[in-house]
Amino acid sequence: EPEVTQTPSHQVTQMGQEVILRCVPISNHLYFYWYRQILGQKVEFLVSFYNNEISEKSEIFDDQFSVERPDGSNFTLKIRSTKLEDSAMYFCASREDKIKQYFGPGTRLTVL
Amino acid sequence: AQTVTQSQPEMSVQEAETVTLSCTYDTSENNYYLFWYKQPPSRQMILVIRQEAYKQQNATENRFSVNFQKAAKSFSLKISDSQLGDTAMYFCAFMKGSQGNLIFGKGTKLSVKP
Repeated sequence: EPEVTQTPSHQVTQMGQEVILRCVPISNHLYFYWYRQILGQKVEFLVSFYNNEISEKSEIFDDQFSVERPDGSNFTLKIRSTKLEDSAMYFCASREDKIKQYFGPGTRLTVL
Repeated sequence: AQTVTQSQPEMSVQEAETVTLSCTYDTSENNYYLFWYKQPPSRQMILVIRQEAYKQQNATENRFSVNFQKAAKSFSLKISDSQLGDTAMYFCAFMKGSQGNLIFGKGTKLSVKP
């Protein structure tokens, strides 16, 4: 079965630094999502992306966050100036027209 | 706003036994979908089963089945013949319409004991 991939698997950064988390959705999928999961807590929606623009975003997704699909295959999440509370597991997901969202394996972000 | 509540933070079951995980949700929508996702220690999110709100028949996938009570806004997951590989966090999730994002509950940590 095709898979969503994410790189890196673990990213360590200093507070205030910019990070870019990368995702390669399944090739024929049209809808893309980012979720995050702070350790021991529930998975939270950040943003959805369709037709090269944001279709929905949560209140967590503030001006420090941005998403991009730069080349038709990658889907990136950028955090401009990381904070300690941004430490979490970040999941990318994608789907075609149907209901099921396919999740990537996640990127663990650690902000020191 | 929609909310999803899982009232059992942890549960355990003996191998080969049956266990039921609870989930309730709150919504004013009529068109929605419900899901159970499994998250093993690897932290990968794996779809276990889904239910369309417009369908009265409860979804089943092999050893996994749901009890969907739309009026009560309840969506429980039953795992039959539990296996050691079922040990994981289980998240109940809600999706408005057919194109929305997922709203997750806090999860239930299930341990299957030999």
